[in-house]
Amino acid sequence: GESVGLHLPTLSVQEGDNSIINCAYSNSASDYFIWYKQESGKGPQFIIDIRSNMDKRQGQRVTVLLNKTVKHLSLQIAATQPGDSAVYFCAEIYSNSGYALNFGKGTSLLVTP
Amino acid sequence: GAVVSQHPSRVICKSGTSVKIECRSLDFQATTMFWYRQFPKQSLMLMATSNEGSKATYEQGVEKDKFLINHASLTLSTLTVTSAHPEDSSFYICSARDPPTGAIQETQYFGPGTRLLVL
Repeated sequence: GESVGLHLPTLSVQEGDNSIINCAYSNSASDYFIWYKQESGKGPQFIIDIRSNMDKRQGQRVTVLLNKTVKHLSLQIAATQPGDSAVYFCAEIYSNSGYALNFGKGTSLLVTP
Repeated sequence: GAVVSQHPSRVICKSGTSVKIECRSLDFQATTMFWYRQFPKQSLMLMATSNEGSKATYEQGVEKDKFLINHASLTLSTLTVTSAHPEDSSFYICSARDPPTGAIQETQYFGPGTRLLVL
């Protein structure tokens, strides 16, 4: 079936560097995407979202880019900090279940000092 | 911001017993709540969609008689794992959808999760 997946399962970056986490989606009908951060033993925390009619959206230290042509989504974190260490998931709206989310596999981000 | 709580945060039970997990929206009314299951180092998998006052919609492969969901009010949904077995050990997470009040329609807020260990 169609799913949302991630290119990199783990990513290690040095503190202060920029991080880029990628996500590929296969459902061309998806029109809404969200990035979540999940720390160990906790529920997902909303980071940023983007609609399919947008190419880019910026938040505080984070930017989400959407390339509908190749069905690719990325999360950029500027000046990565140790507190950014977590697992990051992209998710798309699962319209068949009424706004339920279809999550990707996740990327573990490790920020080293 | 909107807050969703879960209780208990962790539970250990014997095989064959039933466990109830509560999901509450604390400062908003949630017409829809979702239940997810997450195994170690894996992603969240949707189990069911719960609408207040109606029967839950279960995803393919999820046994509705084993995972009983009740959404009796706009602020509370419960998931009961009946006759739990060790393979049911997992991290159960709920989310609640907040009807738009200036926010986008799809906004969901997640609970902190419940760690279930079945011995």
